[in-house]
Amino acid sequence: QKEVEQDPGPLSVPEGAIVSLNCTYSNSAFQYFMWYRQYSRKGPELLMYTYSSGNKEDGRFTAQVDKSSKYISLFIRDSQPSDSATYLCAMSAGGSGGYQKVTFGTGTKLQVIP
Amino acid sequence: DAGVTQSPTHLIKTRGQQVTLRCSPKSGHDTVSWYQQALGQGPQFIFQYYEEEERQRGNFPDRFSGHQFPNYSSELNVNALLLGDSALYLCASSTPDRFFYGYTFGSGTRLTVV
Repeated sequence: QKEVEQDPGPLSVPEGAIVSLNCTYSNSAFQYFMWYRQYSRKGPELLMYTYSSGNKEDGRFTAQVDKSSKYISLFIRDSQPSDSATYLCAMSAGGSGGYQKVTFGTGTKLQVIP
Repeated sequence: DAGVTQSPTHLIKTRGQQVTLRCSPKSGHDTVSWYQQALGQGPQFIFQYYEEEERQRGNFPDRFSGHQFPNYSSELNVNALLLGDSALYLCASSTPDRFFYGYTFGSGTRLTVV
């Protein structure tokens, strides 16, 4: 079993739709939860990060973490064609010194159709 | 402010050959992590360097080795290349105390082994 599971999609939605992207994980030591966006032929870029459980909002993006269910979500409101990309969830156990690897999901490919 | 710079952007190698990939971290960052991203997959952690030492290593064979220089730049070396080593190799930089805020990734080196 992979530590982080993510539906690869592809997910195709009309412009303006609400998008829900999800990941599950098995390692209860994970404390830091991140969402990255990766455009074709580019490296991932950090969208949002959350520590422990709870919600975090940044503009049209909302990240949710439910540690009891080992489940995280990213919601995109009023989706735009420019949101078309692969979205990667990522997690880390953190810890002192910062020498903790980040574990990524496989990514969900999103296409927003004008 | 230059981000993470990787070179070369693309290269083609023959099975059995050796390859060296290079990375210059973002200004102010001193920790470098290397990831392998196969087509349609999430990034897989190879290893992390800080203060010129390998601090952590993922599940990669000894054919994968690295180095960090005093100016924080880094190299990834892969010996005895296999077809399965074909992938996008990503370098990510960070600072130890802000590690969990997320990496800054380069655009990667696309390695094709034939």
